[in-house]
Amino acid sequence: AAGVIQSPRHLIKEKRETATLKCYPIPRHDTVYWYQQGPGQDPQFLISFYEKMQSDKGSIPDRFSAQQFSDYHSELNMSSLELGDSALYFCASSLGLRQSYGYTFGSGTRLTVV
Amino acid sequence: KQEVTQIPAALSVPEGENLVLNCSFTDSAIYNLQWFRQDPGKGLTSLLLIQSSQREQTSGRLNASLDKSSGRSTLYIAASQPGDSATYLCAVLSGGGADGLTFGKGTHLIIQP
Repeated sequence: AAGVIQSPRHLIKEKRETATLKCYPIPRHDTVYWYQQGPGQDPQFLISFYEKMQSDKGSIPDRFSAQQFSDYHSELNMSSLELGDSALYFCASSLGLRQSYGYTFGSGTRLTVV
Repeated sequence: KQEVTQIPAALSVPEGENLVLNCSFTDSAIYNLQWFRQDPGKGLTSLLLIQSSQREQTSGRLNASLDKSSGRSTLYIAASQPGDSATYLCAVLSGGGADGLTFGKGTHLIIQP
């Protein structure tokens, strides 16, 4: 079965650079969620989109922005990168918001800022 | 604000033992609770999902229970195997319209061969 696809798997950027992470949800899933997991930390919710509109916002820094496109894939844009942005970034998808099926997570993008 | 606590933070047991991982949450108004497994540096694999109206779910050697009124869930692993070694995360989807899951910090489990 198709899963949530994230690209790239690994990314190394320098401070103050910009990064773009991509997420392709499970086919027919219309809702995407982004999470950040720092080293040794639990995942923290960043932002979610339902039917291409922002649905909810968590602890996403103002330097980050995201959108969901017509094909339901989503991109997380991160500017003015800081060392503290080094983390695993997960995307999850679901069919509908806050539904009873739970969330399916991708394998994540490991971002290292040097 | 929802807070999720997992006890113990780490556990090391010999192969073959049955074990229980605990999860507690402060706000009982939840939609559901999900248990995940995470291998080092890897993604989150969903193990079990319990709806707020349910008391337990089972999958193979795993059984998860939910006591919503007391804000507790347990993950029971039967006949543990070395391949079960991983970090186990509990996450709740709260009521009130928020989309994001609130995670505990996980239990780091090591099964000794």
